[in-house]
Amino acid sequence: SAVISQKPSRDICQRGTSLTIQCQVDSQVTMMFWYRQQPGQSLTLIATANQGSEATYESGFVIDKFPISRPNLTFSTLTVSNLSPEDSSIYLCSVVPLSGANVLTFGAGSRLTVL
Amino acid sequence: AQSVTQPDIHITVSEGASLELRCNYSYGATPYLFWYVQSPGQGLQLLLKYFSGDTLVQGIKGFEAEFKRSQSSFNLRKPSVHWSDAAEYFCAVSNQAGTALIFGKGTTLSVSS
Repeated sequence: SAVISQKPSRDICQRGTSLTIQCQVDSQVTMMFWYRQQPGQSLTLIATANQGSEATYESGFVIDKFPISRPNLTFSTLTVSNLSPEDSSIYLCSVVPLSGANVLTFGAGSRLTVL
Repeated sequence: AQSVTQPDIHITVSEGASLELRCNYSYGATPYLFWYVQSPGQGLQLLLKYFSGDTLVQGIKGFEAEFKRSQSSFNLRKPSVHWSDAAEYFCAVSNQAGTALIFGKGTTLSVSS
């Protein structure tokens, strides 16, 4: 199955700054998604990262706050902008590998703490 | 809209005892159903999935789940729990394979000795 590398694995940021999270997959994938997991909560879909075009955002999430890029089939970035303590969460990249089973594989996540 | 309910927030089971984690979904058509496990500091690992066919599905680590359409349920079971099974368990649903998932709130499993 696909191996997902997320960077950074964790970071502490000051409010008002931005953090960019990278998601690199070792094989081609059909779909890439970004999820947020707030402390003690479940996973919420932020957006679908579309190759070469604008991401598709879920209700409650906007491009200005969560700009996403996906320049090719194996790489995507999520930026969390104008950080506030409410953005403290784990951000997870998930993919559907081109080969195998049509199931989502998840990265280990990036834990963000905003002070 | 699709939704997933996991009624139990936290369950404690003795090591060696059986386990059942409940999951109910809301979806008009045939759902695609999943169980994932998340250990502390780790990403989500797929335990098993149901797409179609046999309603009793086997997964990794000795887990199984049964799809019951009449009850809109997809409960996860294991006959004998090991201390290493202590983790967060998420049930999830989608409307087709290979698309984004809707997750339940999760059930935290603790294993006592």
